[in-house]
Amino acid sequence: AQSVTQLDSQVPVFEEAPVELRCNYSSSVSVYLFWYVQYPNQGLQLLLKYLSGSTLVKGINGFEAEFNKSQTSFHLRKPSVHISDTAEYFCAVSDRGGAQKLVFGQGTRLTINP
Amino acid sequence: GAVVSQHPSWVICKSGTSVKIECRSLDFQATTMFWYRQFPKQSLMLMATSNEGSKATYEQGVEKDKFLINHASLTLSTLTVTSAHPEDSSFYICSAHRDRPTGELFFGEGSRLTVL
Repeated sequence: AQSVTQLDSQVPVFEEAPVELRCNYSSSVSVYLFWYVQYPNQGLQLLLKYLSGSTLVKGINGFEAEFNKSQTSFHLRKPSVHISDTAEYFCAVSDRGGAQKLVFGQGTRLTINP
Repeated sequence: GAVVSQHPSWVICKSGTSVKIECRSLDFQATTMFWYRQFPKQSLMLMATSNEGSKATYEQGVEKDKFLINHASLTLSTLTVTSAHPEDSSFYICSAHRDRPTGELFFGEGSRLTVL
């Protein structure tokens, strides 16, 4: 079984500042890792994913994440945030078989202040 | 990109009635769909895995008779909340797995259920 821990429930930052949202996972098998964004009253949109290969993954909207196997982490970063990045962010993990049955972290509320 | 549509987006019902939520993959076939439940300011909790042509697989603690799931075609899965009560009020989100050209998961917009 897998589990995901997002270390920060809320992260407030100023516009144009850098941000890092932390995610750690636990699994007895190799996994795929994902970051999703959720805007109010909407479903989830995939930001990026790590399946294999390069540990630095680039996604949409200027976000990137780095897979660190030794630390079992998959932190999300953006060098300069915008007001429109205000949303809930979820880290998720799935095992490598089948149809990507996802286990989600608790979510991090990113608030961008002007 | 691939589109998954949920209907209705919002539904309000009286306690004791049943509500059906549809999840459709509009431009691809999905042999597997997932149903999640999300309480306010919380994460998504997987309720069940819906497989086309077979019975759904429910997660531990989810009542099968309460949350009926039907996946009758490769593009449609339905979740029926039977005899709904106020504690069933929640945001329900589905996702559909597209096998080809690459295995990828797409999420619906979610359905907010309020039981009075």
